[in-house]
Formats: sequence, structure tokens, C-alpha cells
Amino acid sequence: NAGVTQTPKFRILKIGQSMTLQCTQDMNHNYMYWYRQDPGMGLKLIYYSVGAGITDKGEVPNGYNVSRSTTEDFPLRLELAAPSQTSVYFCASSYTGDRTDTQYFGPGTRLTVL
Amino acid sequence: DQQVKQNSPSLSVQEGRISILNCDYTNSMFDYFLWYKKYPAEGPTFLISISSIKDKNEDGRFTVFLNKSAKHLSLHIVPSQPGDSAVYFCAASMYSGGGADGLTFGKGTHLIIQP
Repeated sequence: NAGVTQTPKFRILKIGQSMTLQCTQDMNHNYMYWYRQDPGMGLKLIYYSVGAGITDKGEVPNGYNVSRSTTEDFPLRLELAAPSQTSVYFCASSYTGDRTDTQYFGPGTRLTVL
Repeated sequence: DQQVKQNSPSLSVQEGRISILNCDYTNSMFDYFLWYKKYPAEGPTFLISISSIKDKNEDGRFTVFLNKSAKHLSLHIVPSQPGDSAVYFCAASMYSGGGADGLTFGKGTHLIIQP
């Protein structure tokens, strides 16, 4: 099992550019999440999905879009990159959405917007 | 307003001694608490958790204590080993009533184990 994989590992964007952060899990988990971690801060939830075709907003969804067409994949789209979106982005998955169910994290994508 | 606070950005402990990492929370609705460990260039990995109906949970060298009245929890690592050097995140959760029970994270404490 590869677990949760994310691509790319690093990316530099110019203001106004767009990009998609990829996330794939091979554990057949129903729930998937996107978090961002700003320097010196804790992780904050951007969006989550409870299954294919169903997504919902987290704490900081503005400036992002998501889709979930398969169980395995949960891409995060930035349409108009802004310097405030400079962060490390983590994708995670869990079998259920219950708080007692462990969330497994990917290695992260470090994004810089200049 | 931070609901989960880790007031020590870093902690240095000698190998073999006890490491104590602290976490405070403000939201009394939180009923489940977790600790995650993170190495550089990797994602966080789950370490240990505790439900609000307990005051202690132990797993090998790791013990988490919960003091609900003080809204405080701590992670004890005994004995500390070089491989324990990492950033430790405290996280809290509550039942969402549907959807996903999200995690609220603290800023993390960087634990450094000195040889």
C-alpha cells in the first residue's frame, strides 16, 4: 500500500496562475480531506469529501475548488493564485468521518505564490 | 481565536529522560483529543488519542493525560529516544452531527532529543 500520495512535492506559481494539486489514496477510504499549514501555524481544513460526488467546505475554503469523481482521487484546484495561498498543503483520508477514526496524511505539497 | 493552544514552540530533552508536551483547549464541546507526530518533509502521523470519558491513555512509551476541568492535556514520552525528535501536534474534535468530525490543530511543539 502506498497510502496517500500527493503531487507535486513543490511548486512556485505567479500571482493569478492556476494549478491543481493531486491526491490519491489506495486504502479504499470513503473520506478525504485537504488541509493547509501556514508557517508556524496548525493545520486548517479547506475541504473534505464523504465519498465520490460529495464534497463540503471546511474552515478556509475561499480561493479553492475540489471534486471527487472516484473513491481514490481528490484533487484541489487553485484558480487565481494569491500570495496568501503560500502554504504547505496536506491531503488526508479516513475510512469513516468519525473523530475516533485515524486520518492518514500524505507527504504534502509546498506551494509558493510570488 | 485559537481553540487549541500549544504554548511551547520547542522543547529540548536529554535522551532517556521524560518529555512532557502540553496542550490547552478552550472549546468545552471537544470530546476527543489526538496527538500527531510530524517529521520534516513528511505528513503528520497519528500517535495516540484519548476520549473525554477517560483521564489517561497509554501506548508503550507514550501516555496522554486529560484534565477536563482545566481543559488541559499532556503527552508524556518515557524514555525519550533520538527518533522522537519531531514536531508534535495536539488536535481536538467533536461530533459534527453529520459529514465529517473535523480536527482542530494546535501550532505544534518541536521536540528535540539531545544525545
